[in-house]
Amino acid sequence: DGGITQSPKYLFRKEGQNVTLSCEQNLNHDAMYWYRQDPGQGLRLIYYSQIVNDFQKGDIAEGYSVSREKKESFPLTVTSAQKNPTAFYLCASSPWQEDNYGYTFGSGTRLTVV
Amino acid sequence: QKEVEQDPGPLSVPEGAIVSLNCTYSNSAFQYFMWYRQYSRKGPELLMYTYSSGNKEDGRFTAQVDKSSKYISLFIRDSQPSDSATYLCAFGGSGTYKYIFGTGTRLKVLA
Repeated sequence: DGGITQSPKYLFRKEGQNVTLSCEQNLNHDAMYWYRQDPGQGLRLIYYSQIVNDFQKGDIAEGYSVSREKKESFPLTVTSAQKNPTAFYLCASSPWQEDNYGYTFGSGTRLTVV
Repeated sequence: QKEVEQDPGPLSVPEGAIVSLNCTYSNSAFQYFMWYRQYSRKGPELLMYTYSSGNKEDGRFTAQVDKSSKYISLFIRDSQPSDSATYLCAFGGSGTYKYIFGTGTRLKVLA
């Protein structure tokens, strides 16, 4: 079955720690995206990548970093510089074309600061 | 003015009711209009995707786009308890691959 796998499902971070969220897809999609979801604020774009070894900042990139070394993988690191990291993080992918018929989302990672 | 406005709900309806979910938008450049369904603690899944003004039907779901009024709707006929979820509208524009999402409307269908 083709799809996007996010892991872990739940993640707890101590103050000052960096944590990495995994996102893997086997849909052969060129583009991948990271969104953050908070109650009442909708989905906000953190980073996106069109091709391997290239990525762009989204609307709320501060305190986050990404890499795209393989087409299938787009991990997100939440650094200690992110002051309010508790949120639900969603990874998505799509073909890289203007009319891409929507994103496919993963099942999300819930990050909590303890 | 926000780029996308969506009533957060919650909206509670009895089983079998017709549900109407709506979003307004301000950006005339939007050309792609989507509805996603998100169950609790899950990722959104694409329900409907439309490109132009008018109606698109898929089973019990109908998506309606009115570009002149900058208004989109999702109608659910014969609603079921399994339709209980948050519904997100999303918009895409020419020349950009980033979608803008509404905040979501929480729907509860009571058995």
